[in-house]
Amino acid sequence: QKEVEQNSGPLSVPEGAIASLNCTYSDRGSQSFFWYRQYSGKSPELIMSIYSNGDKEDGRFTAQLNKASQYVSLLIRDSQPSDSATYLCAVNPVRKLTFGGGTRVLVKP
Amino acid sequence: KAGVTQTPRYLIKTRGQQVTLSCSPISGHRSVSWYQQTPGQGLQFLFEYFSETQRNKGNFPGRFSGRQFSNSRSEMNVSTLELGDSALYLCASSLVRENTEAFFGQGTRLTVV
Repeated sequence: QKEVEQNSGPLSVPEGAIASLNCTYSDRGSQSFFWYRQYSGKSPELIMSIYSNGDKEDGRFTAQLNKASQYVSLLIRDSQPSDSATYLCAVNPVRKLTFGGGTRVLVKP
Repeated sequence: KAGVTQTPRYLIKTRGQQVTLSCSPISGHRSVSWYQQTPGQGLQFLFEYFSETQRNKGNFPGRFSGRQFSNSRSEMNVSTLELGDSALYLCASSLVRENTEAFFGQGTRLTVV
């Protein structure tokens, strides 16, 4: 079992719709969780961090964390073509980020 | 505030050579981590440095090494390059506190021929 798992996609979403991305992790001791966006040929860009159970909203992005079920999700509302990218879930047990394989999102105009 | 700076951006090396990559963290950040990204393996943790000490290491052979200087700048070295070392090497910096957000540099694209 991989430490952090994501559906590789592509997740195809119409412009203006909600994109829903999921991530599961195996280490119950994990304390911090992050979502990064990576455009092709570029480096990962941090878009959300979440540390406690529940929802955290930032603009069009909402991160959801459920430690009991060991999953993290990211919602992108009002998806735009510029949101087309690979979204990486990262979990930090201690001093190192462990990444999922990423979900490729394609927003179609 | 300047971001994480990695140099060089691109490198082409021959098998058997060695290479040194450099990373300057965000001002005030004292933790520097290195990652390797390949299409097949994704993003994999190499090592993390804080106060010139390696605190954590990933599952890479000893050919991969690093160090951190007193100004928090870091270098990583790969010796005896292999074709499989071709990858995007990313550096990330974060504040001294554990589990805080990490910010990536633009990466160094290494091609081994």
